[in-house]
Amino acid sequence: EADIYQTPRYLVIGTGKKITLECSQTMGHDKMYWYQQDPGMELHLIHYSYGVNSTEKGDLSSESTVSRIRTEHFPLTLESARPSHTSQYLCASSSDRYHYGYTFGSGTRLTVV
Amino acid sequence: QQQVKQSPQSLIVQKGGIPIINCAYENTAFDYFPWYQQFPGKGPALLIAIRPDVSEKKEGRFTISFNKSAKQFSLHIMDSQPGDSATYFCAASPLWTADKLIFGTGTRLQVFP
Repeated sequence: EADIYQTPRYLVIGTGKKITLECSQTMGHDKMYWYQQDPGMELHLIHYSYGVNSTEKGDLSSESTVSRIRTEHFPLTLESARPSHTSQYLCASSSDRYHYGYTFGSGTRLTVV
Repeated sequence: QQQVKQSPQSLIVQKGGIPIINCAYENTAFDYFPWYQQFPGKGPALLIAIRPDVSEKKEGRFTISFNKSAKQFSLHIMDSQPGDSATYFCAASPLWTADKLIFGTGTRLQVFP
């Protein structure tokens, strides 16, 4: 049973709309991550957070923004969606103290038309 | 700069075969090496992980082999089954810092009956 939840699973939206992708985890993990996954499979880190009120940009430049007001919640926002934002977005979390690896959500498949 | 190089990009085997996926890393500070399995429409899930104090780890039909001097590690799937058809990612990071994982580029495996 997944302990990290992403909503919506699929989203088709028009250009210029503002969207928020939700990610919540129930494991009490301090560290959370957002990845963008191409159709070609590669995972690109776009944002991460090591705790409440801590957010950093990842290795891949992204026009999205994130916030971390509560430990369990790490939403990603696109102020003005464009077709180039069409992708799969994966949220993950990990324990702070010892590396047990990431737990990933099932992802949000975003299509901007 | 790709810190974890994964090959091959895709792999096709017959049922019962032993697909092997290879990864190489550069950063000698890495000491945690997980493998993730991703089915279509799902997020990656932790499959098996190894630390460099052992040269091999088995979990069921999945085996990681680790060569510290060569800075290489590989995943072997014994007696592969069509249900193993998925995308596999290797990853690496320092263990005790629980820092963000560096992922390989992924291998799409197809196992035919």
